[in-house]
Amino acid sequence: DQQVKQNSPSLSVQEGRISILNCDYTNSMFDYFLWYKKYPAEGPTFLISISSIKDKNEDGRFTVFLNKSAKHLSLHIVPSQPGDSAVYFCAASANNAGNMLTFGGGTRLMVKP
Amino acid sequence: EAEVAQSPRYKITEKSQAVAFWCDPISGHATLYWYRQILGQGPELLVQFQDESVVDDSQLPKDRFSAERLKGVDSTLKIQPAELGDSAMYLCASSKGSADTQYFGPGTRLTVL
Repeated sequence: DQQVKQNSPSLSVQEGRISILNCDYTNSMFDYFLWYKKYPAEGPTFLISISSIKDKNEDGRFTVFLNKSAKHLSLHIVPSQPGDSAVYFCAASANNAGNMLTFGGGTRLMVKP
Repeated sequence: EAEVAQSPRYKITEKSQAVAFWCDPISGHATLYWYRQILGQGPELLVQFQDESVVDDSQLPKDRFSAERLKGVDSTLKIQPAELGDSAMYLCASSKGSADTQYFGPGTRLTVL
C-alpha cells in the first residue's frame, strides 16, 4: 500500500518553460512534506519543504503547493533549466512518527535545451 | 559544505556472502538513517538511530540485516548472508535532530550475483 504516489514516472519540458511535478498521499496524519532531487550516482539532495499549516512555499525558481483537502502537492520549477534534469522524489512525514520519511517512487524530469 | 560520507560506493558480491557498508554522518548530527532504494522506486527506511540507540528498525529484515552505531557517530550496516533480492542502493542520511531535514550521502550500490 503506497502512501505517497508520484503517478508520472517521467516528464519532458522545454528549457525556460514551467515544470510541474505532482504527488498524492493517502495518510491524513502526514503533516510535513519535502521534495528531494537526485542525480545519477548521487544521493538525494533536499530541495524544498512545506508544513501542513501552509499551502505554498517558495524558494527562488522552486515553489511547492499543498492542497490538504485533495491530499495533493506539486512542485513548480520556473523557468526550467537543463541542470534541473534529475529524478525528483516527494516525501512525507507525520509528527507522531518522529522524522520517518515515506517517499514516492520518483519522477524523472528531462529539460531539453 | 559538510557531507554524509559512505563507503564503499559500489559493491559486488555473490549470494550467501557477507557485506558491510559504512556511513559517517555530518558532524554534530545526532540522528542517522539507513535507507534502501530499489531501482525505479523511492528510498525505504530500514533503521533510524538517535545517537547510539535504535529508534525504529521495524522495516529491517533482522534475520539477515544488522546495524550498529556504537559510539553514536559513524554507523555500519551488515547483510549476512546476501540474497539476490538485496541488490539495491543503500543510502545513509543524517539530521541534527529527529525533527530536522535529512541530508543524504552518495549511497552504496550493491549487486548480488
